[in-house]
Amino acid sequence: DAGITQSPRHKVTETGTPVTLRCHQTENHRYMYWYRQDPGHGLRLIHYSYGVKDTDKGEVSDGYSVSRSKTEDFLLTLESATSSQTSVYFCAISEDRDRGRGYTFGSGTRLTVV
Amino acid sequence: SQKIEQNSEALNIQEGKTATLTCNYTNYSPAYLQWYRQDPGRGPVFLLLIRENEKEKRKERLKVTFDTTLKQSLFHITASQPADSATYLCALDVLEYGNKLVFGAGTILRVKS
Repeated sequence: DAGITQSPRHKVTETGTPVTLRCHQTENHRYMYWYRQDPGHGLRLIHYSYGVKDTDKGEVSDGYSVSRSKTEDFLLTLESATSSQTSVYFCAISEDRDRGRGYTFGSGTRLTVV
Repeated sequence: SQKIEQNSEALNIQEGKTATLTCNYTNYSPAYLQWYRQDPGRGPVFLLLIRENEKEKRKERLKVTFDTTLKQSLFHITASQPADSATYLCALDVLEYGNKLVFGAGTILRVKS
């Protein structure tokens, strides 16, 4: 998707190992988000950022941490992956909502924990 | 508890007809409501945003209504085409949650030719 890329696109990892997913944007947007998407649950917010080094927890943050050392990069880390973290992870960016524009999502990372 | 409900069953319609998707919510007071389209294996794509003080918004063949009394939004696609087949997600922008969206699980739309 234009302006936002996620890496890797697919990953298989073993239970108990740390995993880091990367989100990179070229839009210079202030807000960045990590969501996970599971069948029947829709998109659920994990963590979000409202500026460099400014992050906060979302609805399903347990077992995840994030970092944002530069405007363009937002990293999601699974400290010790579990099978329940098998999911599709989406990064999104946004401007101020009053501009009337929605979120721009990346193409997602499909993570499988075995 | 707070909920966003979209039809869990797929909506199957004939090409050329109007598709109407429903989004109901409880115990939220959204300032904005957004609709997204998602194709298999892809991220959601923003379609329309409607503010709490707007009753209706249109964009080409798309129309969204927002009734804060009924706590409901309707999403219409007129003259539907097979290419409109996708999952459509409703999302609420709630002031007390800052600049974050809460999503419904989505409704699958299938348009048959």
